[in-house]
Amino acid sequence: GAGVSQSPRYKVTKRGQDVALRCDPISGHVSLYWYRQALGQGPEFLTYFNYEAQQDKSGLPNDRFSAERPEGSISTLTIQRTEQRDSAMYRCASSPETGYEQYFGPGTRLTVT
Amino acid sequence: AQSVSQHNHHVILSEAASLELGCNYSYGGTVNLFWYVQYPGQHLQLLLKYFSGDPLVKGIKGFEAEFIKSKFSFNLRKPSVQWSDTAEYFCAVNLVSSNFNKFYFGSGTKLNVKP
Repeated sequence: GAGVSQSPRYKVTKRGQDVALRCDPISGHVSLYWYRQALGQGPEFLTYFNYEAQQDKSGLPNDRFSAERPEGSISTLTIQRTEQRDSAMYRCASSPETGYEQYFGPGTRLTVT
Repeated sequence: AQSVSQHNHHVILSEAASLELGCNYSYGGTVNLFWYVQYPGQHLQLLLKYFSGDPLVKGIKGFEAEFIKSKFSFNLRKPSVQWSDTAEYFCAVNLVSSNFNKFYFGSGTKLNVKP
């Protein structure tokens, strides 16, 4: 079946612009996670959802970052007023239930110039 | 703060050599443990997982890992590596309780297998 998809795969934006990153999880998966991965590092947790409810957003770096999953399926991670330090790979993963293994998407490479 | 440590950042082996990648975590409660692999140009894929039961777990492609609770470790092993095992390997720890669910990843180990 179809895996987790993310779009766009690559995004170059100018400092100060807003960006929206999309994640389409595996159909029926309850949990959806967002991570940020810098070069040479492992994925760093940002936030996660069970269905449409945002269960934990403690990893979001500041209030410029927000996420939603309004219908319990597709999720959008929005970064407002982007800064160069936001440049990273943003990964989405979904899981059948909380605590189970996660299935990752290909990621979105964000570059802020 | 909770953390996951992968001590080997870059490992170079010849084909048929044995592999052991270290993973240690700092958390005293109940954990679920995972190893993920990222082949060049591909996304993260699950290699193996431990939730409970036999601390020696077997994954795909001949990999195995052993959970040693007293050492807070979950090391990955393979008796004989192949060139196709060249990839980056990430250890991950899931802390689950009634009121939180946290995933922490190590910084990764790049494995380069020479043919």
